[in-house]
Amino acid sequence: NAGVTQTPKFQVLKTGQSMTLQCAQDMNHEYMSWYRQDPGMGLRLIHYSVGAGITDQGEVPNGYNVSRSTTEDFPLRLLSAAPSQTSVYFCASRPRRSSYEQYFGPGTRLTVT
Amino acid sequence: EDQVTQSPEALRLQEGESSSLNCSYTVSGLRGLFWYRQDPGKGPEFLFTLYSAGEEKEKERLKATLTKKESFLHITAPKPEDSATYLCAVQLETSGSRLTFGEGTQLTVNP
Repeated sequence: NAGVTQTPKFQVLKTGQSMTLQCAQDMNHEYMSWYRQDPGMGLRLIHYSVGAGITDQGEVPNGYNVSRSTTEDFPLRLLSAAPSQTSVYFCASRPRRSSYEQYFGPGTRLTVT
Repeated sequence: EDQVTQSPEALRLQEGESSSLNCSYTVSGLRGLFWYRQDPGKGPEFLFTLYSAGEEKEKERLKATLTKKESFLHITAPKPEDSATYLCAVQLETSGSRLTFGEGTQLTVNP
């Protein structure tokens, strides 16, 4: 199993541009989440999904959209990038509601200029 | 406001020098506390889940313990490969799927 994969690893955007961060898992996990990690802030939840077709907002959802059309994929869309969205983004998955043994992807480092 | 505080922010140890990392939380209705390890440039890696005060979990040189207001990650005779940032997170009975993470302790073990 590849586990949780994320693409791209690095990305530079200009203010106002849009892009999609890709996340895929091959472990048939129900739950998938997107976090951002900033110095001094810890990991913060952006959006999460409890299964295909079901998504919900986390702690810092503004400026981001998600959808979950399949169990495997959970893309994160930046609608109009802002410098405040410069961060490292992690996708995570876990197998069932009662388990918090999350598996994280390797991350995408995003810089918005 | 629910908070998770980890201390110290950074810790330098000599190989073989045992120590503890602390995770304190000011929350009510704790459902679970989780420890992760994060290496530079990588995603966090799950270590332990603790659910109730008095519970302990062990893995190699690491032992995690939980009280009503804090958790400790004890590192016994650490090796340089234990160098990483250690994160703790809490999940509340009222927060559904959301985990609240601390900022982490950066551990460096010198040979």
